[in-house]
Amino acid sequence: AQSVTQLGSHVSVSEGALVLLRCNYSSSVPPYLFWYVQYPNQGLQLLLKYTSAATLVKGINGFEAEFKKSETSFHLTKPSAHMSDAAEYFCAVSDGATNKLIFGTGTLLAVQP
Amino acid sequence: SQTIHQWPATLVQPVGSPLSLECTVEGTSNPNLYWYRQAAGRGLQLLFYSVGIGQISSEVPQNLSASRPQDRQFILSSKKLLLSDSGFYLCAWSGDGRYGYTFGSGTRLTVV
Repeated sequence: AQSVTQLGSHVSVSEGALVLLRCNYSSSVPPYLFWYVQYPNQGLQLLLKYTSAATLVKGINGFEAEFKKSETSFHLTKPSAHMSDAAEYFCAVSDGATNKLIFGTGTLLAVQP
Repeated sequence: SQTIHQWPATLVQPVGSPLSLECTVEGTSNPNLYWYRQAAGRGLQLLFYSVGIGQISSEVPQNLSASRPQDRQFILSSKKLLLSDSGFYLCAWSGDGRYGYTFGSGTRLTVV
C-alpha cells in the first residue's frame, strides 16, 4: 500500500527566505509523485510532478522538488519566498496503475513580511 | 484542452434538505472522476470515484451518494443533509494516473 507523510502541518517563513516543505512516501513500486497548491476557497493546482525522468523536477512559480529514492523523499523547495506563496501544499503519490492518488495531510505555508 | 467545471461555488442549505452538486469535464472522453471533501483541518478525503458511466465506488460510508449519468458528468447528492456534511467539496478528473488529477474550483457547502 502507498502512503504519504508530510512533516509539519504549519510552516512559517520570512519573505525572501528559503521554503522547504517535507514529504516522505511509501510505495512498493516505483512511484509517481506530485505537489499541489491550494489557495483559500480554491481547487488544487498542480505545481510539479515526478514521473521517473529527471530526479530534480522544476515546477511553476519557482518551486522545485528532488526525488531521493534512498530517503523515500520528495521535498518541495523554493529559494526565496514571496507573500503570494502563502497557501496550503499537498504531496501525493500514485502507483500509475490504479489511477488513484494518495494525498498527504497538507502543509499550510505562512509567509511573514 | 481539457477543462473541468464545478458548481455552485457556494451553497448554504438547512439540515434535512437535499443536495445536488454537479461536475462536468470537457475536452476528453472516458475520464476517471472523483469527489473529495475537505473538512476544516482534516485534509482531503476521497468520497467517490468512477471509471465509467454508472460505475461508482464509495470510499467511506456516509450520508452522500454519487452518480455518473453521462461520460463526463459526475453528480454528488444527498437526500437529507446533516450538519456534519458541511465542508469544501472538490471534483477532479484524471486520464492516465501517471499524470495526476485536475481539480475543479470547489463548492463551499454550509449546512445550517
